[in-house]
This record gives sequence, structure tokens and C-alpha cells, in this order.
Amino acid sequence: DAGITQSPRYKITETGRQVTLMCHQTWSHSYMFWYRQDLGHGLRLIYYSAAADITDKGEVPDGYVVSRSKTENFPLTLESATRSQTSVYFCASNFGWSYNEQFFGPGTRLTVL
Amino acid sequence: ELKVEQNPLFLSMQEGKNYTIYCNYSTTSDRLYWYRQDPGKSLESLFVLLSNGAVKQEGRLMASLDTKARLSTLHITAAVHDLSATYFCAVVQFYFGTGTSLTVIP
Repeated sequence: DAGITQSPRYKITETGRQVTLMCHQTWSHSYMFWYRQDLGHGLRLIYYSAAADITDKGEVPDGYVVSRSKTENFPLTLESATRSQTSVYFCASNFGWSYNEQFFGPGTRLTVL
Repeated sequence: ELKVEQNPLFLSMQEGKNYTIYCNYSTTSDRLYWYRQDPGKSLESLFVLLSNGAVKQEGRLMASLDTKARLSTLHITAAVHDLSATYFCAVVQFYFGTGTSLTVIP
């Protein structure tokens, strides 16, 4: 499928488990982003990547790990999930830095019990 | 700490009316982005404003940017039900406001 996809779309897990959310884009965009969306907070950046093997922290990186071995993939791992990480997670990408809008994936709704 | 504030947070308006959503931000930035999110859906880009004084229009929506005042506005003209959604502004690429939830009442 063309565009940006996320998997799974829904996930329920338990506290302390490791969870990986996948993000894949077919545009060869350089930049990719991970956000979490919570009521009252809008979207908050977790991590972003400027290219393969280049990642940087955003506003709320604690408890999350990212990697980017290939341009098209940007997985987000919760190493030991906590209830406070229950949220909707959005992946996004764009071609250049600030001249272009971001294109968002459909989101993953994660519930940590 | 960079802050992006939108107001109002919630807006209920009748069809046919006009209204403006405001986005204030605390840092120097000559670029601002507006996105729309339908309930339960993802975000889609509406406007990219790239300089002071930029104005863009699409249908009943018009966005403007005043970088000196650190203010962007999203003006809605003659609202229709299809415009019901949450609207977000963002600065420096990835700092988002908390969103304005718009409901247009028939």
C-alpha cells in the first residue's frame, strides 16, 4: 500500500511487557516522527529521525526506544509498558524539514492494563 | 519551554456563521502549519504558512500568519456541518497546540 501505514492498529498489553509499534512509509521521506495523542495535550513528539540511523529525542522520550535501520521503517518500542503510556500513537513523515507538512499514519491505539 | 496555545478549545457554532480560531506561540518561527482531525481519524494537512503575512485559503477556511505577533488565525466563513472536526496548529514543524474542537450545528 502506498503512503504511511502503522501496525497494529489496536493493541492491549499488560504493565511491564515490551511492545513494538511499527511504522512504514513508501514515499522515501527523509524525516519520520512519532507522536502520542492524549486528551488535553494535543500531540506530543516522542522521537524523530532525519534519516536512516539518525534519531533524536522529542518532548516525551522517556520509556521509549526507536531505531531506523531503513529509510522506510521507524519502529517505536516501549521497553516496559506502563499505564501512563496508554495513548493513541501517530507516526508521520515528510520529505524535507520545515518547508513541508507532515503526512500522518492512521494511528495505533494502545491500552496498557 | 515552547508553548503553542489555541483558543477557543471548544467551539460550537451554527451553520452559516463566521468564526476565527487563534493560535499563539512563544518562539520565533516563520512557519506554521494547520491540520484537521476528524473524530477517530488521523491528521491531515490543511495549510502550510511559510512567511510573515502569508495567507492561504481553501474553500471556507482561510489561514494567516503574523510572525511579529506570533499569531496565526484560522477563519471559518459560513460554516457547514462538514467542517466539524478538531483543528491543530503546529510550529517549528512538530510543536502542536492542544487543538480546537469545532462543532457546526445545523
